[in-house]
Amino acid sequence: KQEVTQIPAALSVPEGENLVLNCSFTDSAIYNLQWFRQDPGKGLTSLLLIQSSQREQTSGRLNASLDKSSGRSTLYIAASQPGDSATYLCAPGDGNKLVFGAGTILRVKS
Amino acid sequence: DTEVTQTPKHLVMGMTNKKSLKCEQHMGHRAMYWYKQKAKKPPELMFVYSYEKLSINESVPSRFSPECPNSSLLNLHLHALQPEDSALYLCASSLRLDSGNTIYFGEGSWLTVV
Repeated sequence: KQEVTQIPAALSVPEGENLVLNCSFTDSAIYNLQWFRQDPGKGLTSLLLIQSSQREQTSGRLNASLDKSSGRSTLYIAASQPGDSATYLCAPGDGNKLVFGAGTILRVKS
Repeated sequence: DTEVTQTPKHLVMGMTNKKSLKCEQHMGHRAMYWYKQKAKKPPELMFVYSYEKLSINESVPSRFSPECPNSSLLNLHLHALQPEDSALYLCASSLRLDSGNTIYFGEGSWLTVV
């Protein structure tokens, strides 16, 4: 059974900092890994999808890396802004379903 | 357009009521999902439909009954729920299963069982 751990559980940083969110998973037999953000009381917004054959994926100030063999992924956020405040969830997928980590609650202070 | 639309946004129901949650997408996706998310917890998979057929049921109690009437619609019928079933119910879709495609989520339906 896939188990996903995200570290840290919460993070509070001043605006402008670069930061790294970590995700580890136990079963490396995955198709891909998705990173999502969730604002309070809202649904999930897909940020990045990394296929199992890829090492990294970039979108704007976001960069996600994947090391499938070691069961790790990181989400790098450059020049953080108050609007980045949200819960960030990673979810490895086996092609049929996603298994979510508990998330990292990010607060960016202005 | 990467939109998954869920209705209603909020639902309060008694333990003897019958109600339904609805989900719609017009992206031509053939895989659709129901997830349940309790407060301060990650989403957990309930059901997966592929080409309008139930593909995965994660041992969900029978008081939750999914239905996929066509390729654009997904319903979740609710009957005789318990207060502990109160949660955010999220619908999602992707192009198809076993493909590693992006999964898109709706805004969710907040369910309160009283």
